[in-house]
Amino acid sequence: QQKVQQSPESLSVPEGGMASLNCTSSDRNFQYFWWYRQHSGEGPKALMSIFSDGDKKEGRFTAHLNKASLHVSLHIRDSQPSDSALYFCAASESGYQNFYFGKGTSLTVIP
Amino acid sequence: DMKVTQMPRYLIKRMGENVLLECGQDMSHETMYWYRQDPGLGLQLIYISYDVDSNSEGDIPKGYRVSRKKREHFSLILDSAKTNQTSVYFCASSSGGLGTEVFFGKGTRLTVV
Repeated sequence: QQKVQQSPESLSVPEGGMASLNCTSSDRNFQYFWWYRQHSGEGPKALMSIFSDGDKKEGRFTAHLNKASLHVSLHIRDSQPSDSALYFCAASESGYQNFYFGKGTSLTVIP
Repeated sequence: DMKVTQMPRYLIKRMGENVLLECGQDMSHETMYWYRQDPGLGLQLIYISYDVDSNSEGDIPKGYRVSRKKREHFSLILDSAKTNQTSVYFCASSSGGLGTEVFFGKGTRLTVV
């Protein structure tokens, strides 16, 4: 069973718009959450982490974590064509170094 | 420059041949990983290595083995490759601290015909 689920599978937003990506987990042991971004032909690259309940903002990117509901979201404001990529949510348990990845959300920003 | 390097980037092998995928990192990271990525399945962990000669199976280890004799180098071996092992393989590394970032290489696209 997939421990980390992402939605939607794909998303298209106009340039300058807001993209919202969602991630839920089925394991209450998960303590650490990351968002990774993968451009075509490249390896995934860490975008941002969130470990505490609430919002974390880094530039145009805002992550939100609700540990009670095991829900993580990523919001990208003022989306740019360069944001078009595959976005992965990853989670790990305290004391473990194994990261569980979701299947990814494919984001397309339309110029 | 923090880097995970994978060689080769592209590889075509015949079914039944042995395959060696190499990975190196220049960050002195203790922990290294091998993942495979298939369309619609995300990243699946094959093996994790906590240091030299300290390796553990991930979620899909069957048909694979690994070798780590130096901290900066981690190899993935496919003995007698199968067509269902056609995939993109990613090596990654991390410092091993709780919740720390994982750095990925650019991947090796393996085709088994």
